[in-house]
Amino acid sequence: GNSVTQMEGPVTLSEEAFLTINCTYTATGYPSLFWYVQYPGEGLQLLLKATKADDKGSNKGFEATYRKETTSFHLEKGSVQVSDSAVYFCALIRVRLAGGTSYGKLTFGQGTILTVHP
Amino acid sequence: KAGVTQTPRYLIKTRGQQVTLSCSPISGHRSVSWYQQTPGQGLQFLFEYFSETQRNKGNFPGRFSGRQFSNSRSEMNVSTLELGDSALYLCASSLDGASYEQYFGPGTRLTVT
Repeated sequence: GNSVTQMEGPVTLSEEAFLTINCTYTATGYPSLFWYVQYPGEGLQLLLKATKADDKGSNKGFEATYRKETTSFHLEKGSVQVSDSAVYFCALIRVRLAGGTSYGKLTFGQGTILTVHP
Repeated sequence: KAGVTQTPRYLIKTRGQQVTLSCSPISGHRSVSWYQQTPGQGLQFLFEYFSETQRNKGNFPGRFSGRQFSNSRSEMNVSTLELGDSALYLCASSLDGASYEQYFGPGTRLTVT
């Protein structure tokens, strides 16, 4: 089945440091890949996505590139802020076709807690 | 445009009771998915509804069920609650099956005592 593995956390950084959170996946076919972020007491927010190999997703200074050869989708940010402190989830969806529509379920990694200190 | 709303936000129940959680998707979204989030198991898919039909189901016991109404609002029900059902239950909506982006609500925090 499909699976997503994220680097162990928690990750603690100082403001303006460089961030990398590793994510690798196992899936048949061609999944779409996502990073979601969860702030304390809130639901998940889509941070960025990539739907095919070599696509780069980017948003709010965060980037991730869909690498099919290494089955990876690592999240990076050049200069983190205190406000980036949250839990980050890597996820994939493999879409199936049925009855003229496509659907799929998200498979998540275990999440990485990021804390940024001033 | 209003986001995904879930009610109630917090719930405390006793073992053996049943509970119903509600989710209102973003206007125009026809697909609703439910996920369970726990510290031990992380985020796990429960089921997905589209146009009032369950299209996809995760590996949860039959005590977990759901439905979707004609206005796309969805409910999930858990019967005979167990302590292990304590979790954050998240609902996500998407435009239709062809959309890869799911938008999440704030969740319902269920505590079973």
